[in-house]
Parts: sequence; structure tokens; C-alpha cells
Amino acid sequence: QQQVKQSPQSLIVQKGGISIINCAYENTAFDYFPWYQQFPGKGPALLIAIRPDVSEKKEGRFTISFNKSAKQFSLHIMDSQPGDSATYFCAAPDTGANNLFFGTGTRLTVIP
Amino acid sequence: DTGVSQDPRHKITKRGQNVTFRCDPISEHNRLYWYRQTLGQGPEFLTYFQNEAQLEKSRLLSDRFSAERPKGSFSTLEIQRTEQGDSAMYLCASSSYRGTERTQYFGPGTRLLVL
Repeated sequence: QQQVKQSPQSLIVQKGGISIINCAYENTAFDYFPWYQQFPGKGPALLIAIRPDVSEKKEGRFTISFNKSAKQFSLHIMDSQPGDSATYFCAAPDTGANNLFFGTGTRLTVIP
Repeated sequence: DTGVSQDPRHKITKRGQNVTFRCDPISEHNRLYWYRQTLGQGPEFLTYFQNEAQLEKSRLLSDRFSAERPKGSFSTLEIQRTEQGDSAMYLCASSSYRGTERTQYFGPGTRLLVL
């Protein structure tokens, strides 16, 4: 059973455009939603995270929007750059925060 | 560098051999996690330690897998009698898990290829 569903699987965006990646979850006990960025051959790196008591969090060009009633959250990358080309994973912890459930990933390609 | 480190970064082995990977967490972190990531998928949880105690194991962790964290510092993950299906990236993460902090920081991973 997939705990976190992520879409799209791949995304191609022009430089300067907005990249949007969506995730949905079922478990209402989740209370922390990090996004990770992973380059080929590297481990995932924390990008930004949000708790469900806020609807939006912005850090630089990266924004998480959170819709608690719909059990959905999304990552927006403003002014996308070729250096943003990577795989992005949303995640949520189990109730004891003992492990993270990851989405299947979105491969982002930003075209110059 | 004060991040999570893993060794080796790459390992090629023949089916049936044993392999061992090492993870050094961020020094002040009391929780250490192991994940496995196959191509095109997100990381999947294997096991985690709080200090030296192994508190949870995923059903993905068959009896050929064993993990240890002596003295609550570094950890090792051993795979016995490797199979081709064990080929994957093995990721280690650590977190402090104090108060509301629960961010997991990942190492670069060990890529295993079983021939």
C-alpha cells in the first residue's frame, strides 16, 4: 500500500518557468512533510519541509502549499533553473516518526 | 565535513558473497536509519536505531540482512549470501529526534551490484 502518491512522474520546464509537483496522502496522522532533492549518484538532500498547521511555506524559490482537508501538498519551484534538474521526492513519516514513506519521485528537467 | 558519511560508495560482488557497509551519522544525532533505493523508486525503509538499540525492522529486511550500531555511533549493514535482487543503493540517514525536530539527513549511499 503506497502511503504517499506523487505526480507527475517526469516534468520538463523551460528555464524561468514554474515547476509544480504534487503529492497526496491517506494517513491523517502524518504531521511532517519534507521534500527531498536527489541528483544522480547522490543521496537525497532535504529541500524544504512543512507541518500541517500552516498552509504555505516559502524558502527562496521553493514553496510548499499544503491542503489539509484534501490531504494534498505540492512543491512549487519558481524561476526554474537548469541546476534544478534532479529527482524530487515528497515524504511523510509514520506515526512514530520511525521512518519516512517516500513518493515515487518526479524527474525534473529544466531546459535552458 | 560534518554530514552523514557512508563507505564504500560502490561495491560489486558475486552472488553468494557477503558484504558489509558502514555508516557514520552526524555526531550529535541519536537516531540512525537504513533505507534501500532501487532505480526509479523512492527510498524504502529497512531499519532504524535509537542510540545502540535497534527498534524497528521492515519486512524488507530478510534474515540475510543484519544491522548493528555498537556504542550508538557508527552502524554497519551486512548482507549475507547476496542475491541479484539485492542490487540497489543503500542509504543511511540520521536525525536528532529531540522535541519537534525530526529531519532526517541522508548520506551519499552505497551502490551495490550483485553479479
